[in-house]
Amino acid sequence: GQQVMQIPQYQHVQEGEDFTTYCNSSTTLSNIQWYKQRPGGHPVFLIQLVKSGEVKKQKRLTFQFGEAKKNSSLHITATQTTDVGTYFCALLRNAGNMLTFGGGTRLMVKP
Amino acid sequence: GAGVSQSPRYKVAKRGQDVALRCDPISGHVSLFWYQQALGQGPEFLTYFQNEAQLDKSGLPSDRFFAERPEGSVSTLKIQRTQQEDSAVYLCASLKVAGSYEQYFGPGTRLTVT
Repeated sequence: GQQVMQIPQYQHVQEGEDFTTYCNSSTTLSNIQWYKQRPGGHPVFLIQLVKSGEVKKQKRLTFQFGEAKKNSSLHITATQTTDVGTYFCALLRNAGNMLTFGGGTRLMVKP
Repeated sequence: GAGVSQSPRYKVAKRGQDVALRCDPISGHVSLFWYQQALGQGPEFLTYFQNEAQLDKSGLPSDRFFAERPEGSVSTLKIQRTQQEDSAVYLCASLKVAGSYEQYFGPGTRLTVT
């Protein structure tokens, strides 16, 4: 079945630096979702993208869906210590609504 | 609280023991999902219910895993004869109606098999 790959696996940044995580697929995706999981916590839904070339913003977070719908990115501007956690992209399957998650990017922010 | 709740939060089992993990979804949510999350990995789908019907159990790793949702609300994931490779966090998520897309996850049950 379809899989999504995420890079990088880990990212250390200094507080105030920007951060980007990428999600890639070899096949066209119908949608992509992004989740954040704090250390010791559970995944929390951030956003869903469905349209080719779509860009959505939530405060310092910018989400993009590629023109070919084979990749997506999450960009955080001026990271803060509260951004620490693992960011997952996930594909929502049309039949059944179950999610297929990428491996995640773990973000660590040095104050 | 209005969120998804799971119990127990932590479970230590000796290899060969049976365990039962409980999920209370958000009231009125039609769909319920179980995921398994190994350390440092993304969650992996196990099984899915719509009301009381188990519509997909393709992700269950073996016949030692069994899930039920008899009245369409609370669900139980049972693992028989636990093995060390079953050690993981088991996450439950609920979805308001079929066709909606935001899944609400519970805090998970961390299972450690010794």
